[in-house]
Amino acid sequence: DAMVIQNPRYQVTQFGKPVTLSCSQTLNHNVMYWYQQKSSQAPKLLFHYYDKDFNNEADTPDNFQSRRPNTSFCFLDIRSPGLGDAAMYLCATSRETSGSFGQFFGPGTRLTVL
Amino acid sequence: KQEVTQIPAALSVPEGENLVLNCSFTDSAIYNLQWFRQDPGKGLTSLLLIQSSQREQTSGRLNASLDKSSGRSTLYIAASQPGDSATYLCAVPSGAGNMLTFGGGTRLMVKP
Repeated sequence: DAMVIQNPRYQVTQFGKPVTLSCSQTLNHNVMYWYQQKSSQAPKLLFHYYDKDFNNEADTPDNFQSRRPNTSFCFLDIRSPGLGDAAMYLCATSRETSGSFGQFFGPGTRLTVL
Repeated sequence: KQEVTQIPAALSVPEGENLVLNCSFTDSAIYNLQWFRQDPGKGLTSLLLIQSSQREQTSGRLNASLDKSSGRSTLYIAASQPGDSATYLCAVPSGAGNMLTFGGGTRLMVKP
């Protein structure tokens, strides 16, 4: 089945220790998104890629970076995690950015910062 | 700036009841509207996608309607079951990257 996969499902890191979250997709979609969702809040977009073009949201902290080495994979790097970065991180894909297409989400990675 | 609101924030119903979840948005110039389900600690599962040209979409016991002119969508769940207990989110795309703006969600509890 075509799908969006995120690894790991649960990640525990120490304050200030870099961490990388992974997302892969078999849908062959052009667009990949990273959302952050804190407890009892709606998901908030961090950035997205259209193919290899990176688009950062204005209020995304510099602490968050992303890489997309190919169509299938996208990574979220948190350079120095703080306690406030503990959240669910959701990866999503869409065929295009035209707005006519829906987004498909992965199962998420729950990040804990000790 | 698009704003999305969901009412009620929480809902508890007995099993078998039909129910309606509401979603409203401030900018009616939308391409589509998506309804998602989120179980505790899990990712988002897309339930229904309604294109701006459509009035409603159906999937099993779920029916979603869209009224662009009034900035409203409803999700109708027929014959609710305990397994329907989850948070339901509506979202509309906006911005250059088709980013989704989400409502705050409705937390649904269906009691056996």
